Amino acid sequence: EAGVTQFPSHSVIEKGQTVTLRCDPISGHDNLYWYRRVMGKEIKFLLHFVKESKQDESGMPNNRFLAERTGGTYSTLKVQPAELEDSGVYFCASSQVPGRAFFGQGTRLTVV
Amino acid sequence: EDQVTQSPEALRLQEGESSSLNCSYTVSGLRGLFWYRQDPGKGPEFLFTLYSAGEEKEKERLKATLTKKESFLHITAPKPEDSATYLCAVQPTPGGYNKLIFGAGTRLAVHP
Repeated sequence: EAGVTQFPSHSVIEKGQTVTLRCDPISGHDNLYWYRRVMGKEIKFLLHFVKESKQDESGMPNNRFLAERTGGTYSTLKVQPAELEDSGVYFCASSQVPGRAFFGQGTRLTVV
Repeated sequence: EDQVTQSPEALRLQEGESSSLNCSYTVSGLRGLFWYRQDPGKGPEFLFTLYSAGEEKEKERLKATLTKKESFLHITAPKPEDSATYLCAVQPTPGGYNKLIFGAGTRLAVHP
């Protein structure tokens, strides 16, 4: 069974540019989550999709972040415009059973 | 505010030297407590879910226990391949099946 796949694995962009992260969940998993770990801090929740609907986006830091989940399959997280404090590792996770989430390897974003 | 605190931050063991990692939590209500293992450059890998005080789960050299205020991850006769960061997370209630609140993790190094 294929796991959760994230693209790209690394991204280095300049402040003010736009970056789009992609997540392909495990097939059949209705729940899709985005999390983020910034330097030296714990992993923090960003948002939760159930199929194509946003269930909870209380963790999204501000309106520079936009998440979508087309047709309830893959998801994208766009940061526009990127700021220095957006640097960190962005994790995507999916689950069928609530809570028992399977995580991708993460996308390391560096904003310079 | 819901909070998870893990101790110690880092732990160095000799191969075969058993020890325990601690996860203390403060939540309004607990739906579940999760232990994950994370290797460098990878996403968290699910280990256990505990739902109620007194519950225990085992997997190979690992055993997780839960009380009303904390959880322990006991490592018996560890091997170098057990070296990783161990993450504790809680799923609070009320709040549906959305977010996991993570602790900062314990970095475990097991030396031959």
